[in-house]
Order: sequence, then structure tokens, then C-alpha cells
Amino acid sequence: EPEVTQTPSHQVTQMGQEVILRCVPISNHLYFYWYRQILGQKVEFLVSFYNNEISEKSEIFDDQFSVERPDGSNFTLKIRSTKLEDSAMYFCASSELIGGGQPQHFGDGTRLSIL
Amino acid sequence: AQKVTQAQTEISVVEKEDVTLDCVYETRDTTYYLFWYKQPPSGELVFLIRRNSFDEQNEISGRYSWNFQKSTSSFNFTITASQVVDSAVYFCALRDSNYQLIWGAGTKLIIKP
Repeated sequence: EPEVTQTPSHQVTQMGQEVILRCVPISNHLYFYWYRQILGQKVEFLVSFYNNEISEKSEIFDDQFSVERPDGSNFTLKIRSTKLEDSAMYFCASSELIGGGQPQHFGDGTRLSIL
Repeated sequence: AQKVTQAQTEISVVEKEDVTLDCVYETRDTTYYLFWYKQPPSGELVFLIRRNSFDEQNEISGRYSWNFQKSTSSFNFTITASQVVDSAVYFCALRDSNYQLIWGAGTKLIIKP
């Protein structure tokens, strides 16, 4: 069964450094998302992306965050200058269509640790 | 504003017991979708079920069943004859006119052998 893949599974970065988290969505899916989950807390929406544009973003997704689809398969989340509070599990998801009933399929996540 | 409440932070039962996880939601939209996801100790998020606001039929899938009640804005999840492998954090989520999923805080389910 097709799945969303995320790399790396764990990223350790010094505070202030830039980090790029990578995702390969399911191949026929058109809509992509990033969520984060701080340890022990609920999952929080960051951004949705369609047709090479951000379609929706949350208050968390400030100027230090950006997303890109650099080629036909990858979908990346960049954090420009990381802070300690960026430490979290970051999940990428994709869905075939945008309709509200379309399930979003998640990758296994990237655990980001900021030192 | 949209909101999902999972009042049960943690539930612990002995294997083979039935267990129900509660989910209460708030939304002003008449069209919306509800989801349950499972997060096992390994950390991934596994899609379990989707329900739209116009379909109040309960659903059963093996040992899993879901009870959707619009009158009480609830979408509860029952596991029958629980097994140790069911141990995980279970999240209820809502999607209405926005693209994002609004998540509950999750219920940690511990199944003891």
C-alpha cells in the first residue's frame, strides 16, 4: 500500500541553525500538509499546500517556516532559525483530493530535537 | 470556533474488556467530517475511520465500532474484547470548511495483559 515517507526519522540541530525536513507524499495525491506534535501534546496544524501554493496556514507557521515542492515528488518544510520550542515531532500528510472527507495519510514523522 | 474534546486523558483496562473512548466536537458548519487516528508507541499516525455529518449510521469494523450522535455532538469509539496491541494514543479530529484537521488532546489507552 502506498505510503507517505519522511526523512530523516530524527534530526538533532543546534539552536539558530536552519533545518529542512523532507517528505515524499503518496504519488497520486495533490494536497500536502505539515503538522507538529510537541511531546505529550496534541497534534497541531501548520500548513496545507496545493498547486505549488500555500492554501492555509496556522498562527504557528510564522516567517521562520517555509514549504516547498522542489520537484515532482518531494515536499519540504524549512525552519530558518530554529528555537528550542521548535523541538517536536513533525508529521507530513497527503490527501488525494481536498474535499473535507478525504482522509489525510500521515508519514511516520521526523523527531526534531533542538539543542 | 471548532474544537474537539477528549475528556479522558488515560484509560487502563485489562485485556478482553470492552472500552469506549469519548469524543465531543464543536463546529458551526453543517457539513463537517470526523476522524479517528491511532498513534502507537512507535509514533506514527494511523487513520482509522472517517464520518461525514450527514451519515449518522454507526459503523463496525471487526472489534472496532463508532457511535456518531449529532444531537450530542459526539463521535465515540469502542473497542470490543481489547488486546494488548490496542495500546496506543487515540486521537479524534474534526474537519469542516477549513482544510486543516482540528485535533483532540488524545486518549492514552493502556491494555494490561
